[in-house]
Amino acid sequence: QVQLVESGGGVAQPGRSLTLSCAASGFTFSDYAIHWVRQPPGKGLEWVAVISYDGSNKYYVDSVKGRFSISRDNSKNTLYLQMDSLRTEDAAVYYCARGRTPLVLGPFDYLGQGALVAVSS
Amino acid sequence: DIVMTQTPLSSPVTLGQPASISCRSSQSLVHSDGNTYLSWLQQRPGQPPRLLIYKISNRFSGVPDRFSGSGAGTDFTLKISRVEAEDVGVYYCMQATQFPLTFGGGTKVEIK
Repeated sequence: QVQLVESGGGVAQPGRSLTLSCAASGFTFSDYAIHWVRQPPGKGLEWVAVISYDGSNKYYVDSVKGRFSISRDNSKNTLYLQMDSLRTEDAAVYYCARGRTPLVLGPFDYLGQGALVAVSS
Repeated sequence: DIVMTQTPLSSPVTLGQPASISCRSSQSLVHSDGNTYLSWLQQRPGQPPRLLIYKISNRFSGVPDRFSGSGAGTDFTLKISRVEAEDVGVYYCMQATQFPLTFGGGTKVEIK
């Protein structure tokens, strides 16, 4: 069965960095685009970024452009989100989600359980 | 960005009765490839979101047939034919036609 397991969450000070990982299993990882979606505590969902099946295409929401970087290692079935210059408004549960196609556009289907990122001095 | 507006914010429903949630987009969700990338997700209390419906009306794997989606262009609806206790949670519409992907604000379904 499809599984996505996020890790790397924790507490970071404003301006510092954190890297999230998403380990995938149960499907051919290199055949699918993968997204990051976040949810601030008690609030709704916000899409963050997506990467195509081969890593050649990436898109980001404006609020994280230039600060966050999405990448993947298909040999390790793992997705990453490098988060630099963290702000208090980046505090959220971060979910990785499998796209329904290899390409960046289109919806996602399976989501992981999420990783909590707190940003506080 | 495409703005997704959901109504109502909250929907108290009697068990076994139907529920309906509306979602309106600020522009057409018809993609140049002919598809309309409108999805519905469910988030039960304390759980991650789960996909229910994709491309307006296609139920995802394992989703009960009491859930149905309809609509076109900018107006969409999620219907639950007979609400069960396990349906309690927040429902989100989402568009994936244009970047950035955007979500509605959510509709909370609760039992009366």
